[in-house]
Amino acid sequence: AQSVTQLGSHVSVSEGALVLLRCNYSSSVPPYLFWYVQYPNQGLQLLLKYTSAATLVKGINGFEAEFKKSETSFHLTKPSAHMSDAAEYFCAVSDRARNYGGSQGNLIFGKGTKLSVKP
Amino acid sequence: DSGVTQTPKHLITATGQRVTLRCSPRSGDLSVYWYQQSLDQGLQFLIQYYNGEERAKGNILERFSAQQFPDLHSELNLSSLELGDSALYFCASSVGPYSGNTIYFGEGSWLTVV
Repeated sequence: AQSVTQLGSHVSVSEGALVLLRCNYSSSVPPYLFWYVQYPNQGLQLLLKYTSAATLVKGINGFEAEFKKSETSFHLTKPSAHMSDAAEYFCAVSDRARNYGGSQGNLIFGKGTKLSVKP
Repeated sequence: DSGVTQTPKHLITATGQRVTLRCSPRSGDLSVYWYQQSLDQGLQFLIQYYNGEERAKGNILERFSAQQFPDLHSELNLSSLELGDSALYFCASSVGPYSGNTIYFGEGSWLTVV
């Protein structure tokens, strides 16, 4: 079964430093890949998604992620952290079905990574 | 604001009771999903509906059931509640049922079972 691994349940960076949140997937067939952010006491907000176009995907709030098939990875980065980036980040995958009509849209989520930003 | 509306936002109930969580999807979205978020299990997919029909089933307990109505709103029914059912329940929606469709999440319904 498809699975997602997020390395590091907690990541702490200084304001202005690079943010790198790691995500690896398990499927031999590259899935659709997503990053969501959850701010305290809020729902999940989509940051970006990869569906098979460019391997470098740009999202909202200055985040981007690069799909690397050889490493089965989809790490999330931001060049310069801001205090407002403190939140929990979830990587998720959705299987590509062989036939479109047989696919299901549900997401499989990683355990999440809590990002803290120090002043 | 994702456009997905969930009610109630908070609910406290006793063990053995039954509750119903309600969800209105984004305008134009035909697919509805339910997820459970807890500290020990993380985010778990429960069930998906598309245009009134069940599309996919995940880790949904037999004590739980859901449906999607003709007006596309959905309800998640949780019965014979146990302490371990305390969690944040998310509803989400997408325009179609297929993988790759962007899924938009509501703000969740906090359920506390005492």
